Amino acid sequence: DGGITQSPKYLFRKEGQNVTLSCEQNLNHDAMYWYRQDPGQGLRLIYYSQIVNDFQKGDIAEGYSVSREKKESFPLTVTSAQKNPTAFYLCASSILVRETTGYTFGSGTRLTVV
Amino acid sequence: AQSVTQLGSHVSVSEGALVLLRCNYSSSVPPYLFWYVQYPNQGLQLLLKYTTGATLVKGINGFEAEFKKSETSFHLTKPSAHMSDAAEYFCAVSGTSTSYGKLTFGQGTILTVHP
Repeated sequence: DGGITQSPKYLFRKEGQNVTLSCEQNLNHDAMYWYRQDPGQGLRLIYYSQIVNDFQKGDIAEGYSVSREKKESFPLTVTSAQKNPTAFYLCASSILVRETTGYTFGSGTRLTVV
Repeated sequence: AQSVTQLGSHVSVSEGALVLLRCNYSSSVPPYLFWYVQYPNQGLQLLLKYTTGATLVKGINGFEAEFKKSETSFHLTKPSAHMSDAAEYFCAVSGTSTSYGKLTFGQGTILTVHP
């Protein structure tokens, strides 16, 4: 079955460390997205990519980096410059047509700074 | 540009009561509209979507939503709430011609169901 896989489900980071969250999809979707979710703040867009080797900043890109070397993969790195990284991170993908079916979401990664 | 407003960050109902979650949107093009549900520590799952055609859309778990263009609304309803409906619900609108497929989300509404 096609889907989108995020790993790991739980991740712990020490102060000053970079960590990378994985997101892989086998839906042949063109676009992929990273969102951050904090209690009471809805979904906030970090980065998105509509095509391989290209990506755009979202609303809260500072302290994060991404790459899109393959259509199937869109990893997110949380750098040491992100001062408050503890949150729930969601990856999503979609096709880029008018008759969109909406997003398919992964099951999320919960990142905690220890 | 498009935007989505969900009225009420928290809604509380009794089991068996009507569920009504409100969503209003703005869009410069005919919208595609979506409702998603999120259970704790999980991703978002599509409940239903409106694209074209019939304005009353039926989704999973007994939910439905009606697209009202004159009111720019897409409210989500369920006749009788069940304890398992307790979750967070997000309304979303699709992008414009320059960003087909990209969604704009509302802030979410947390639904609590009391016994």
